[in-house]
Amino acid sequence: SQKIEQNSEALNIQEGKTATLTCNYTNYSPAYLQWYRQDPGRGPVFLLLIRENEKEKRKERLKVTFDTTLKQSLFHITASQPADSATYLCALEPSSASKIIFGSGTRLSIRP
Amino acid sequence: GAGVSQSPSNKVTEKGKDVELRCDPISGHTALYWYRQRLGQGLEFLIYFQGNSAPDKSGLPSDRFSAERTGESVSTLTIQRTQQEDSAVYLCASSLAGVGTGNTIYFGEGSWLTVV
Repeated sequence: SQKIEQNSEALNIQEGKTATLTCNYTNYSPAYLQWYRQDPGRGPVFLLLIRENEKEKRKERLKVTFDTTLKQSLFHITASQPADSATYLCALEPSSASKIIFGSGTRLSIRP
Repeated sequence: GAGVSQSPSNKVTEKGKDVELRCDPISGHTALYWYRQRLGQGLEFLIYFQGNSAPDKSGLPSDRFSAERTGESVSTLTIQRTQQEDSAVYLCASSLAGVGTGNTIYFGEGSWLTVV
């Protein structure tokens, strides 16, 4: 069955360092991979989307890579700040009408 | 409205009662999604509506759960004979186009359901 794993329930990083979050998947061939941020008590908010034929995408301090051979995406936050503390979710979207599935998320804490 | 609107924001109900959750998607969005999120867990797919196509109901956990959508507008998620394990946040989302198009999905703030 399709499976997404975000391999760290929680990650603690010193302010200013780069945070790297991982999303692995099996039995799936997504056309798109998306990353969302979720703050406590709020709905997820879209951050970045990367297509299956793209290797890397950047937006300000955020960088996403996508390796369809390894079936893995890495999400990087450079120069991390305490305000980046949140749960980050990856989501896989197929190429045709079906459901978008989400990972369980990684809770990131940036300490001053 | 500017975003996805969900109501009620909080609902406490007694076990065995029926509840109805409402979602107003962003105007013009053809796709609408319902997800469930238990405390500290990820998002669990429930149902997906796209335009006039038959909805993908494959995530509904039991026949106590049902959902409807009026055209490309409001959706309601109904849970009959609620059980304590139904306690969760029910998140609604919408996107301009359907799955497979790489559209941004916009989430509401969720309806927090507690079954006592």
